[in-house]
Amino acid sequence: SQQGEEDPQALSIQEGENATMNCSYKTSINNLQWYRQNSGRGLVHLILIRSNEREKHSGRLRVTLDTSKKSSSLLITASRAADTASYFCATDAETGRRALTFGSGTRLQVQP
Amino acid sequence: DTEVTQTPKHLVMGMTNKKSLKCEQHMGHRAMYWYKQKAKKPPELMFVYSYEKLSINESVPSRFSPECPNSSLLNLHLHALQPEDSALYLCASSQDGTGGVLATEAFFGQGTRLTVV
Repeated sequence: SQQGEEDPQALSIQEGENATMNCSYKTSINNLQWYRQNSGRGLVHLILIRSNEREKHSGRLRVTLDTSKKSSSLLITASRAADTASYFCATDAETGRRALTFGSGTRLQVQP
Repeated sequence: DTEVTQTPKHLVMGMTNKKSLKCEQHMGHRAMYWYKQKAKKPPELMFVYSYEKLSINESVPSRFSPECPNSSLLNLHLHALQPEDSALYLCASSQDGTGGVLATEAFFGQGTRLTVV
């Protein structure tokens, strides 16, 4: 079952622009993670934010978490053509099953 | 070594065949997972093994049979599959296999692209 929704479903920007993706989820969580997937390949972990954190940075990535709204955002600054991929948020629910549940994903296309 | 290795990378099988997907990790992770991913969809959880014991089965049809021979290996045995089972099958592992918080990230293999004909 899908924990959450992401928007937009698809995003096309020019190189150098910033890309923002949003994720909403349904249940209380321990942490929220963002993953990247190049076409038809495995997922690569980008960043993990815990439920008691509000913002986290890693290189050109900035993640925010609002547990009151059950939402998160991923900002990629100064995008590059190599950032073209699908991006998924994934949640580790506070109760119930102990495994990541993925959002619907955002397909990002960065035009050179 | 932070890799999860899946074999084979591609598999074409008939509906009467029996085949197995293999997954291996040497990071000492005690939780291992099988996910199924259809095109343009997110990964969907199938099975979770924690300390070599099956802890979650997401109501997966019995034509998929998981096996965890030891803490480094995870297999998925396939028998009498249907064309709609064609998908990318992803294996993952993570550090914490006990009840509680999944404290760290999951590491994914590159997947097996399965086509059922």
